[in-house]
Amino acid sequence: DAGVIQSPRHEVTEMGQEVTLRCKPISGHNSLFWYRQTMMRGLELLIYFNNNVPIDDSGMPEDRFSAKMPNASFSTLKIQPSEPRDSAVYFCASSLDGQPQHFGDGTRLSIL
Amino acid sequence: AQSVTQPDIHITVSEGASLELRCNYSYGATPYLFWYVQSPGQGLQLLLKYFSGDTLVQGIKGFEAEFKRSQSSFNLRKPSVHWSDAAEYFCAVGNIDYKLSFGAGTTVTVRA
Repeated sequence: DAGVIQSPRHEVTEMGQEVTLRCKPISGHNSLFWYRQTMMRGLELLIYFNNNVPIDDSGMPEDRFSAKMPNASFSTLKIQPSEPRDSAVYFCASSLDGQPQHFGDGTRLSIL
Repeated sequence: AQSVTQPDIHITVSEGASLELRCNYSYGATPYLFWYVQSPGQGLQLLLKYFSGDTLVQGIKGFEAEFKRSQSSFNLRKPSVHWSDAAEYFCAVGNIDYKLSFGAGTTVTVRA
């Protein structure tokens, strides 16, 4: 079975550029989560969707960050403009009601 | 507010020896508790979960964890570690659908 698929696996870009991270959840899952992992802050939940609707975006750091889920099989996390402090590993996870979250392999983002 | 404390940042253990990783949580209701493992460059993989019932739960790869409400703990154990168990381990608390809070993680090094 295909797990959560994230792309790209690695992204290096210059400060000020727009960055788009992509996620394909496990088929049939109805919840999707975006996390950020850094050495300083560990794993932080950024935003959570249920049935394609954003439920809680209180973890989104600022207006430069936005996330969408246009359908049940695709989500994006966008940073515009990007800053060096956005460098981190970004994880997408999905789950079905009543079941634990399954994580993708992450996108390692470096902003120069 | 929910939170997780993993007191040990790094543990070194000999191959074949037993392993115990500590986890203490703070949660206002009956907690859902999880242990995840992360190998370098990969996402988080669920080892085991506790929702209710038997306080000793068995997981994959020979791991088990014991829920102790009186101590607010959910420690992870393995009787005999293998070199492939070298990884970072995360304890998490929360609702299974939403808003997991992760500990800072414990890195396990296995020496021959």
